[in-house]
Amino acid sequence: NAGVTQTPKFQVLKTGQSMTLQCAQDMNHEYMSWYRQDPGMGLRLIHYSVGAGITDQGEVPNGYNVSRSTTEDFPLRLLSAAPSQTSVYFCASSPSMRNEQFFGPGTRLTVL
Amino acid sequence: GENVEQHPSTLSVQEGDSAVIKCTYSDSASNYFPWYKQELGKRPQLIIDIRSNVGEKKDQRIAVTLNKTAKHFSLHITETQPEDSAVYFCAVYTGTASKLTFGTGTRLQVTL
Repeated sequence: NAGVTQTPKFQVLKTGQSMTLQCAQDMNHEYMSWYRQDPGMGLRLIHYSVGAGITDQGEVPNGYNVSRSTTEDFPLRLLSAAPSQTSVYFCASSPSMRNEQFFGPGTRLTVL
Repeated sequence: GENVEQHPSTLSVQEGDSAVIKCTYSDSASNYFPWYKQELGKRPQLIIDIRSNVGEKKDQRIAVTLNKTAKHFSLHITETQPEDSAVYFCAVYTGTASKLTFGTGTRLQVTL
């Protein structure tokens, strides 16, 4: 089992560019989520999904879109990148929110 | 929404001493309280969790205590070792909001 995988590991964007961060899991978990990690601010929930076809907003959803067409994949789209979106992004999956969250290795994004 | 406060933000202890990290939360409906450890450059990983029907849980040198009345829970690490040096995050799950909210993290440094 690969667990939770994320691509790319690093990315540099210019302001206004768009991109998609990929996340996949092979554990057949229903629940998937995206977090951003900034110094001194912990992990903040961006969007989450409780199953294929169902997504909802987290704490900091503005500027991000998600979709969940399959159980395995949960991509995060940045529509028009801004310097405030410079962060480390983690994807996580779990059987439910009240169980262990399995995190991916993270994507370090810099927006110039 | 749920408000989670974590203290201290940094903690330095000598090898062999104990370390205690405390988190407080605001929503009395919260019912799941995990702790994650994140080593430098790595992903967060679950180290211990507790549910609201339990007051204390122990796993070797790590323990978590929960005081539902006071709405706080604590991570206790005994006989600290250099490999315990990391950032520790508490988290709180609230069913009414269906979200997992993380604290801002504690950087633990174990010195020789």
